[in-house]
Amino acid sequence: EVQLLESGGGLVQPGGSLRLSCAASGFTFTTYTMTWVRQAPGKGLEWVSAFTSGGLTYYAESVKGRFTISRDNSKNTLYLQMNSLRAEDTAVYYCAAPGMDVWGQGTTVTVSS
Amino acid sequence: DIQMTQSPSSLSASVGDRVTITCRASQGIRNDLGWYQQKPGRAPKRLIHAASTLQSGVPSTFSGSGSGTEFTLTISSLQPEDFATYYCLQYSSYPHTFGQGTKLEIK
Repeated sequence: EVQLLESGGGLVQPGGSLRLSCAASGFTFTTYTMTWVRQAPGKGLEWVSAFTSGGLTYYAESVKGRFTISRDNSKNTLYLQMNSLRAEDTAVYYCAAPGMDVWGQGTTVTVSS
Repeated sequence: DIQMTQSPSSLSASVGDRVTITCRASQGIRNDLGWYQQKPGRAPKRLIHAASTLQSGVPSTFSGSGSGTEFTLTISSLQPEDFATYYCLQYSSYPHTFGQGTKLEIK
C-alpha cells in the first residue's frame, strides 16, 4: 500500500525551529518529486516546497531562507527543517507525492508563546 | 510567481444542480492545472489533472476545461458527497500555487 506518514509537528515558540519528517512506503521513493503543502487554521491550501526527483529544490516566497527541504533516499524519508518560525507558520503540514496524488494525514505545527 | 485567482469563494447549491468554478492564472500555464477536493479534516484529493483529465475513480459528473490562463471545473449534477471545498493548483512553474478555494455548501 502506498503511504506517507508525517511526524515532528508540535508547539514551538516564535523564533524557534522544528523538523518535520515524512516516511514513504509502497512506492519507489527516489523516482518521485515530493512536496510539502500547508493549511493554516480555517484557511486555504498553500504550496510550501518541493524536492524533485532530479535533486532540485523550490520554495514559496513566504518560507524562502527559513525552511529547508531535504530527502534521504536510503530511508525513503522527506524532511522539512523550519527555522525562525513565526505565528503565521501555524498550520497543518502535509507531505505529498503529486505524481501519484498521494498525501499524508498531516502534522500540526503551532507557533505560539 | 504565478497567481491563481479562483471564483467564487463560496457557492450555495442544491443536489442535482450544475455548478462551475473558475480559476484564472496571472500568466499562461498551458494546461498544467489540477483541481482538488477537500473535506473537513481530510487531506486534499485530486479530481482532475492536465486541466481536463479525470483521475481514475472520479465520477464523470466532474469535468475540467481550459488552457492558457482560464480554467473551469464543472460538476454536472451535484451529489450529497460533493459538498466540500475545491482548489485549483498550477504546476506549470515553481513555486506551484493554489487558488484561494471555493466552499460549496448545500442550499
